[in-house]
Amino acid sequence: NAGVTQTPKFQVLKTGQSMTLQCAQDMNHNSMYWYRQDPGMGLRLIYYSASEGTTDKGEVPNGYNVSRLNKREFSLRLESAAPSQTSVYFCASHSRHGNWGNQPQHFGDGTRLSIL
Amino acid sequence: GESVGLHLPTLSVQEGDNSIINCAYSNSASDYFIWYKQESGKGPQFIIDIRSNMDKRQGQRVTVLLNKTVKHLSLQIAATQPGDSAVYFCAENGSDDMRFGAGTRLTVKP
Repeated sequence: NAGVTQTPKFQVLKTGQSMTLQCAQDMNHNSMYWYRQDPGMGLRLIYYSASEGTTDKGEVPNGYNVSRLNKREFSLRLESAAPSQTSVYFCASHSRHGNWGNQPQHFGDGTRLSIL
Repeated sequence: GESVGLHLPTLSVQEGDNSIINCAYSNSASDYFIWYKQESGKGPQFIIDIRSNMDKRQGQRVTVLLNKTVKHLSLQIAATQPGDSAVYFCAENGSDDMRFGAGTRLTVKP
C-alpha cells in the first residue's frame, strides 16, 4: 500500500518551460489536493478536486492548471514556469465525510521544483 | 508557538524529557484540528486529530489539548526520542478550507 505517490521527486526548469507534476493515490479517496510549501510558511492550497470530474481553485491558483484524470490521479501543470514558482509541491488526498475536514489528509513526499 | 515568516520557531529538548509544541489558530468557527509531523525531505505525516467538542485527546506518547476560548492548540510528546526530531505543524478546518501553520522545529538532544 503505497499511499500517495508523487513524481518526479526533483526537477529543475528554465523560466518559460512547462511541466506536469504527477500524483496518484491508492486509498480510494474521493478528494485530492495540490499544495505548495515555501520556507517558513504553512502549506498553501493551489487547487483541489473534491471528487472525480471536478476541480476548484485554492488560495494560490495563478500560473497553474490541474487535471483529475480519474479517481486515483490528479496532475498539476505549470504552463510557463516562473522563478516565483520555485517551491516544494505536495499532493494530498482524503475522503470527505460531511464537511471538509473530518478525516486527515494523507500526503505524498513532495516534488522539489527549482526554476532558474 | 507558530508564526508565519522565514524562520521557524524552534524547540530543543533533552532525550527523555517531555515536549510541548503550541499553535494559535485564527478561525473561531474551526471545528477540526490536526497535528502533523514533517521530517526532512518527507511529506507531512498525520499524528493526531481532535474535534471541537473535545478538550483533550491522547494517542501513543502524544496528547493534544484544545482551548477554544483562546483559540490555542498544543501537542505534548512524552519521553521525547531522537526520532521525534522534525517540524511539527497544526492544521485547522474551518467552514470552507484547511489552514496550516508554518510549524515548529523540534530538536532532540541525546
